[in-house]
Amino acid sequence: GDSVTQMEGPVTLSEEAFLTINCTYTATGYPSLFWYVQYPGEGLQLLLKATKADDKGSNKGFEATYRKETTSFHLEKGSVQVSDSAVYFCALSDQGRDDKIIFGKGTRLHILP
Amino acid sequence: NAGVTQTPKFQVLKTGQSMTLQCAQDMNHNSMYWYRQDPGMGLRLIYYSASEGTTDKGEVPNGYNVSRLNKREFSLRLESAAPSQTSVYFCASWEGGGLVGYTEAFFGQGTRLTVV
Repeated sequence: GDSVTQMEGPVTLSEEAFLTINCTYTATGYPSLFWYVQYPGEGLQLLLKATKADDKGSNKGFEATYRKETTSFHLEKGSVQVSDSAVYFCALSDQGRDDKIIFGKGTRLHILP
Repeated sequence: NAGVTQTPKFQVLKTGQSMTLQCAQDMNHNSMYWYRQDPGMGLRLIYYSASEGTTDKGEVPNGYNVSRLNKREFSLRLESAAPSQTSVYFCASWEGGGLVGYTEAFFGQGTRLTVV
């Protein structure tokens, strides 16, 4: 079945450092890809998305490009802030086949001032 | 605009007790989901409902039942709670479906359940 694999955490960085969180996927169809973020004590909220190959999703300085050839959707940010500390989830949905949203295990990010 | 509302926010149960987690959305979404979140395991899908009147098993359905009461409400029932069901439960909804363009999934605030 479909699955998402993302890098293990926690990831600890200093403020203003460059961030990459790796995500790869396995899917039989043509999925849409997402990054969700979870702040402490809250539910998940959508950070960005891409619905077809070579699309780039972006929001709040974060970016991710849908790479079909490498089945990847890595999350990047050029200069992280303390307020970016959260858990980040990569996810996919093959809405042409069913309506399930499949999540990776999440990566906890700590940003030090 | 409440979005997705889950109740209760916290619950402690004794082994063998039953309870129902309630979820309601006010966005007229067709699809609704129940996930559990455990440390190191991410979010695992318990059950989902692609439309009113349908429900399907997800990755970890054992020990749970669901009811799609109407388009707004999707409840999760634990008939006989076990310590292994200690977790944080999230309800989500989105406008899914093959003919409808994807929109983001909206999540509730979660229910923290402890089974002792």
